[in-house]
Amino acid sequence: DTAVSQTPKYLVTQMGNDKSIKCEQNLGHDTMYWYKQDSKKFLKIMFSYNNKELIINETVPNRFSPKSPDKAHLNLHINSLELGDSAVYFCASSQADSYEQYFGPGTRLTVT
Amino acid sequence: QKEVEQDPGPLSVPEGAIVSLNCTYSNSAFQYFMWYRQYSRKGPELLMYTYSSGNKEDGRFTAQVDKSSKYISLFIRDSQPSDSATYLCAMTSGTYKYIFGTGTRLKVLA
Repeated sequence: DTAVSQTPKYLVTQMGNDKSIKCEQNLGHDTMYWYKQDSKKFLKIMFSYNNKELIINETVPNRFSPKSPDKAHLNLHINSLELGDSAVYFCASSQADSYEQYFGPGTRLTVT
Repeated sequence: QKEVEQDPGPLSVPEGAIVSLNCTYSNSAFQYFMWYRQYSRKGPELLMYTYSSGNKEDGRFTAQVDKSSKYISLFIRDSQPSDSATYLCAMTSGTYKYIFGTGTRLKVLA
C-alpha cells in the first residue's frame, strides 16, 4: 500500500502549456507539502497545507497554484510552463504535531 | 550564505567503514533536525529525527546535534553497499517550513 502517491510519474510538455500534478496520502495526516528538487538535488519547499488551509507559500510564482480538495489530497497546477520549471516535484505529508515527513515518489517534469 | 550547508561529496568508503555526514546551519531558531536518505530517482526517506541537542541511535545509525556549534551529524556504522545514496539533512524551527541541505552523495564500495 503506497503511503504517498503522485501522478503522473513523468511529464514532458512544451513551454506555455498548463499542467497538473496530483498527490494523495493514505496515512491520515493533516499536513501536506509540495517541494521542488532541481538538477543539483536541492530540495526546496514550495507550499505547506494544514487541514486544507495554505500556511506556507515560499515566494513561488503565481503560475503555481496548489489546491487541497480534502486532507488526503493536494494538487499542483502550473500555468504557462517555462524551461526553468523543469525539475522533480515531490509531495510530502506529516501529522500536525510531528516533524516527520513522508515523501511521495516524485513527478519528473521536463519542459521543452 | 545558505541557511544550511552540506558537503555534496561524493564520499566513497569501503564496505564496513564508519561514515560521518555533517551539516552546519546559521539559524539558531532551528529546533528539529532530520536526516533523509534518497536513492536515485526515488523520494527522500526519513532515517532519523531529533529534537534540540543530543544523540539518538537507531540500529547502525546515530544522529548528533550540537546546537551551540550549529552542527549536526549522522554516523553510519558497518556501512553496506545498500547504504549508497544521497543523504539530506533537514531542519525546522517548529513551523511548517523545512530547510534542506543540498545532500551528500555516498558510495559504499563492496
